Amino acid sequence: SSELTQDPAVSVALGQTVRITCQGDSLRSYYASWYQQKPGQAPVLVIYGKNNRPSGIPDRFSGSSSGNTASLTITGAQAEDEADYYCNSRDSSGNHLGVFGGGTKLTVL
Amino acid sequence: QVQLQESGPGLVKPSQTLSLTCTVSGGSISSGDYYWSWIRQPPGKGLEWIGYIYYSGSTYYNPSLKSRVTISVDTSKNQFSLKLSSVTAADTAVYYCARGLLVGATRFDYWGQGTLVTVSS
Repeated sequence: SSELTQDPAVSVALGQTVRITCQGDSLRSYYASWYQQKPGQAPVLVIYGKNNRPSGIPDRFSGSSSGNTASLTITGAQAEDEADYYCNSRDSSGNHLGVFGGGTKLTVL
Repeated sequence: QVQLQESGPGLVKPSQTLSLTCTVSGGSISSGDYYWSWIRQPPGKGLEWIGYIYYSGSTYYNPSLKSRVTISVDTSKNQFSLKLSSVTAADTAVYYCARGLLVGATRFDYWGQGTLVTVSS
């Protein structure tokens, strides 16, 4: 299956903008979905498709894609955004949602 | 509001079979378009997709686990289940069930709270 690569850790000052990236060949053809996971909790879907947010997700979260890179942007990061973030997309066959990135730990300073 | 809840033993001995069930409420498991999924996360590590099942019974597994995994569905109980055979300590993880959508904007939109399964004698 294909791989998705994320930076292990990213930090952002409170109120500033941060971009978390996910790279992989499958992203040239398919959108990524993004998940936020806080300690001891299940992942929560925050972005999917071209740039869609589930109900209840603040509009400071947005998604974009270019070439083999998908990005999750948090505009005006809040303390409660400190979490691990995972991307997910289809595998190399294109048939299954079989691949997760390794995750990015976001620290809000 | 769809809810998923995992259940099963929290401790499994090496070489035995891990068995978990996910109960779906707030929606029918027989609804089209959804793939009922198992995903796991070893302590301190990232997420790993195990596989999923369509309500009709069609299954799709992670190639790295395929030889040991069986996912089944019981539409009458609105449940689906995971069996992982010949477990080792490397299978110790929090196991999540989730609802996957493969049409349109693909995603896992609802997740269970997760259940920790420890493999130890």
